[in-house]
Amino acid sequence: DTEVTQTPKHLVMGMTNKKSLKCEQHMGHRAMYWYKQKAKKPPELMFVYSYEKLSINESVPSRFSPECPNSSLLNLHLHALQPEDSALYLCASSQQGLAKNIQYFGAGTRLSVL
Amino acid sequence: RKEVEQDPGPFNVPEGATVAFNCTYSNSASQSFFWYRQDCRKEPKLLMSVYSSGNEDGRFTAQLNRASQYISLLIRDSKLSDSATYLCVVNSVSNYQLIWGAGTKLIIKP
Repeated sequence: DTEVTQTPKHLVMGMTNKKSLKCEQHMGHRAMYWYKQKAKKPPELMFVYSYEKLSINESVPSRFSPECPNSSLLNLHLHALQPEDSALYLCASSQQGLAKNIQYFGAGTRLSVL
Repeated sequence: RKEVEQDPGPFNVPEGATVAFNCTYSNSASQSFFWYRQDCRKEPKLLMSVYSSGNEDGRFTAQLNRASQYISLLIRDSKLSDSATYLCVVNSVSNYQLIWGAGTKLIIKP
């Protein structure tokens, strides 16, 4: 079962709101990722957690704050977002944090910032 | 030069035809290569990993040409359901990240 579950599927928030995106996998994967995808563009890597430690932060603004409570869960806390942050946010996981490992994606959270 | 380049298309192809995409990469030390498929407003899904010897999965064949630094994807007997964006993915220099091509849009017409 290669399932990565993301909630919520859709989210509309104002620029002053605080919200969180959640991601869960039960495949025993030790690496988890957050990507941002704008329309007609490929996914852009935001963060990588490997063995529950943040290993890569692709210079993401501090209004995005990742958290990895345990090896199965990954959160993305959102605060004071801008309209240009509206996008599809994808979570992925892989066996380890190596590029040779296949990444499996969740269905994404479609975020609109008003 | 972009690290991974693809023709964005769209490729408009009649049902039943054979279609091929190429993708070039700039890092000669790359070791991992993948084709992902993404349907409109859905998540990317792995289509195939690409191995040095080439590999085939049903109607899909992937090839790697290290000398010219490109990978290819061949789809035979195309179906309407093959309409999607096909993303070429290659590992980065650090080997801890994947570099994504911009994708090639394929439209299969009846």
